[in-house]
Amino acid sequence: AQSVAQPEDQVNVAEGNPLTVKCTYSVSGNPYLFWYVQYPNRGLQFLLKYITGDNLVKGSYGFEAEFNKSQTSFHLKKPSALVSDSALYFCAVRRFRDQGGKLIFGQGTELSVKP
Amino acid sequence: GAGVSQSPSNKVTEKGKDVELRCDPISGHTALYWYRQSLGQGLEFLIYFQGNSAPDKSGLPSDRFSAERTGGSVSTLTIQRTQQEDSAVYLCASSLGSGSTDTQYFGPGTRLTVL
Repeated sequence: AQSVAQPEDQVNVAEGNPLTVKCTYSVSGNPYLFWYVQYPNRGLQFLLKYITGDNLVKGSYGFEAEFNKSQTSFHLKKPSALVSDSALYFCAVRRFRDQGGKLIFGQGTELSVKP
Repeated sequence: GAGVSQSPSNKVTEKGKDVELRCDPISGHTALYWYRQSLGQGLEFLIYFQGNSAPDKSGLPSDRFSAERTGGSVSTLTIQRTQQEDSAVYLCASSLGSGSTDTQYFGPGTRLTVL
């Protein structure tokens, strides 16, 4: 069965510092991995995805994520956090060639960036 | 261009009543998904539509839940005889196709409260 784990319920970072939001996955076969962000009372906004190729994926708002197959991880990173990055972040996985496949989401990580 | 829209944004109903939630996908998107976001369960897949194919209903929690998609565009999620445990945010997403690499774009959600 496919699953996603986000081991931290909350991450606290000072503005200007680098941030990392962790994600590990379990899936048979090759995974397709996604990061979404949710601001209060809003839907999910797509940030980035890993399909194949370069393990470092760049996305919206200066975010990037690194795919590590040996560690089955897909951590979200940003070199310099902004207060406006404070939100709920979700990692999701889909299985290779899973036609019409639903996304399997992690439980979410609340990111808080303080001035 | 216009994103996924959902209506109503908020719905308060009494236990036992039926409710209908509406989703307008991005124009040209052939795949449409419904998810539910609740505190205890996180983000759960409910149902998926692709073109004229039979929907994947594997995530519907009970036979009180049903959905339809008319004309390959607008979708309605219906919950009959609502229960308090149905209280959640219902999110709709659409994607250009149903391939496993296709990105799902989410609407703002409908917050359902069952009293």
